Amino acid sequence: EDKVVQSPLSLVVHEGDTVTLNCSYEVTNFRSLLWYKQEKKAPTFLFMLTSSGIEKKSGRLSSILDKKELFSILNITATQTGDSAVYLCATANFGNEKLTFGTGTRLTIIP
Amino acid sequence: DVKVTQSSRYLVKRTGEKVFLECVQDMDHENMFWYRQDPGLGLRLIYFSYDVKMKEKGDIPEGYSVSREKKERFSLILESASTNQTSMYLCASTSLRGGGEKLFFGSGTQLSVL
Repeated sequence: EDKVVQSPLSLVVHEGDTVTLNCSYEVTNFRSLLWYKQEKKAPTFLFMLTSSGIEKKSGRLSSILDKKELFSILNITATQTGDSAVYLCATANFGNEKLTFGTGTRLTIIP
Repeated sequence: DVKVTQSSRYLVKRTGEKVFLECVQDMDHENMFWYRQDPGLGLRLIYFSYDVKMKEKGDIPEGYSVSREKKERFSLILESASTNQTSMYLCASTSLRGGGEKLFFGSGTQLSVL
């Protein structure tokens, strides 16, 4: 059974801090790993990673995948209160239309 | 921008009622999904559909059915609602043209079954 584990489950930091969120996986026929941000209701897409060692970057957010050690990290630098959200990690595999989601990391930024 | 619209943000139903949750997407996506989200359990797939009138069971289909009569609309049906179906329900769609992994989500329906 495919498995995606995120850590920590929750994190509280002060505005301006840098945070690292972790996602490890055990997936057969791995195709890609995705990160989503869920602020109120609808998760919104952040990154899709398919290759090891290539950093994806969008503003203060960046992510990287390690296919040998089977994990990914999501970094947020100079955090702002608008970064407060649940961050979801998911994997996709070949031959399957479904994504497997982790339970998410709840990030709270204190002003 | 892709828009996935769920008909209700909040619903309160009684045990035993038949419940319909509607989802419409406007981007001609082939695949549509229904997830439920519970604290500590994450998103779990209930059903998905890859074409009109086609459906496949996800990880937790028991107590649910689905209908896809038109490409843009995917309905989730609770035949006889029970209290353990109180949850946040999220609909999503994706296009096979982009590889199929990048899901677009609706805003969710918080269902309470009393």
